[in-house]
Amino acid sequence: GQNIDQPTEMTATEGAIVQINCTYQTSGFNGLFWYQQHAGEAPTFLSYNVLDGLEEKGRFSSFLSRSKGYSYLLLKELQMKDSASYLCAARVNDYKLSFGAGTTVTVRA
Amino acid sequence: GAVVSQHPSWVICKSGTSVKIECRSLDFQATTMFWYRQFPKQSLMLMATSNEGSKATYEQGVEKDKFLINHASLTLSTLTVTSAHPEDSSFYICSAPDRVGNTIYFGEGSWLTVV
Repeated sequence: GQNIDQPTEMTATEGAIVQINCTYQTSGFNGLFWYQQHAGEAPTFLSYNVLDGLEEKGRFSSFLSRSKGYSYLLLKELQMKDSASYLCAARVNDYKLSFGAGTTVTVRA
Repeated sequence: GAVVSQHPSWVICKSGTSVKIECRSLDFQATTMFWYRQFPKQSLMLMATSNEGSKATYEQGVEKDKFLINHASLTLSTLTVTSAHPEDSSFYICSAPDRVGNTIYFGEGSWLTVV
């Protein structure tokens, strides 16, 4: 089976930094995706990690440790528009994704 | 712009009728597409894998006779919800990997309401 865990909710202040952790236990693993999803909309791609380490893309960075079954998404210089649900998804077989329940991030002024 | 397009975005149908949702890959061919369902405040649950030229592969607990999937071409997969019931009301989303597979794109999603 697949088990993807991430916190349910996080709150932070505009301009701050927030780190969303994700742990996974899956049968088969080919990489870790992070998606952003605003309410009522489809997910949008943020990052994809295959190798261990940190990948930075502007204000968003993603980290992966395959040996620990752990990833995090780092959001810097938070803006109000960053309020959304962030989905951690493990690529378990070919292109099949197994999603975590999502972390709702609320950015406050 | 969108690389995977879904239609319709919103649909309301009566109980017992069937509804078809289309998923198209734009500017690239997708031999494999995926269909997900998402209930309010829940995560995406994979329903089935759509394979061009062959039968879809359904996840455990998903009724293949109720959720008909057809992958008619390299750019189009359709999901037909047959004999719809109110409990089928949900957000249905398709996805397709790019050629390399490093990015998996999602369609805009389709809201289905069965009354």
